[in-house]
Amino acid sequence: SQELEQSPQSLIVQEGKNLTINCTSSKTLYGLYWYKQKYGEGLIFLMMLQKGGEEKSHEKITAKLDEKKQQSSLHITASQPSHAGIYLCGADLNNFNKFYFGSGTKLNVKP
Amino acid sequence: DTGVSQNPRHKITKRGQNVTFRCDPISEHNRLYWYRQTLGQGPEFLTYFQNEAQLEKSRLLSDRFSAERPKGSFSTLEIQRTEQGDSAMYLCASSFENTIYFGEGSWLTVV
Repeated sequence: SQELEQSPQSLIVQEGKNLTINCTSSKTLYGLYWYKQKYGEGLIFLMMLQKGGEEKSHEKITAKLDEKKQQSSLHITASQPSHAGIYLCGADLNNFNKFYFGSGTKLNVKP
Repeated sequence: DTGVSQNPRHKITKRGQNVTFRCDPISEHNRLYWYRQTLGQGPEFLTYFQNEAQLEKSRLLSDRFSAERPKGSFSTLEIQRTEQGDSAMYLCASSFENTIYFGEGSWLTVV
């Protein structure tokens, strides 16, 4: 989706290292979702952010939405092989007339 | 299970055949979406319903594709005269107010 830009496209990290994935929009994000997807499977909901400046954490994953609500980051601390997969950001850019996805970030964690 | 339900989960069909996928949204969700996801890409928007009205269709939805939501509840996505390029995962989602939920997806392989 050109509406949401994700970076990097792919990432290989050593187990135990921290990493950050970014999701940027040119429009205001009404709601920003992070999903994880294993190859060939459906989406696993991670977190949803709505308010500018909001930050949420679950286990070793932290997501933030910037004050202007146009960029979000997903940070994984002390990565593990179980974190491997495709991370997708999704967002409502038009107050739920359409929900867009980024192109995804493929994460590999080397043991 | 009260989540978004999709079936069949997997379908293998010969080129030229017609296929139909069904999506049962969460009860009382008025919005329903269809997306297509090919390997290595994020999901791409196909179409969107508010109740039984199809409000938007992507250019990706060629004339071989048709989606319906006759009573504003379940929806069907039909692909006529399938082509190998139609091989993908077809994702359905439903939403109410400001929360969106995704199904597990229906995988289509055209041989």
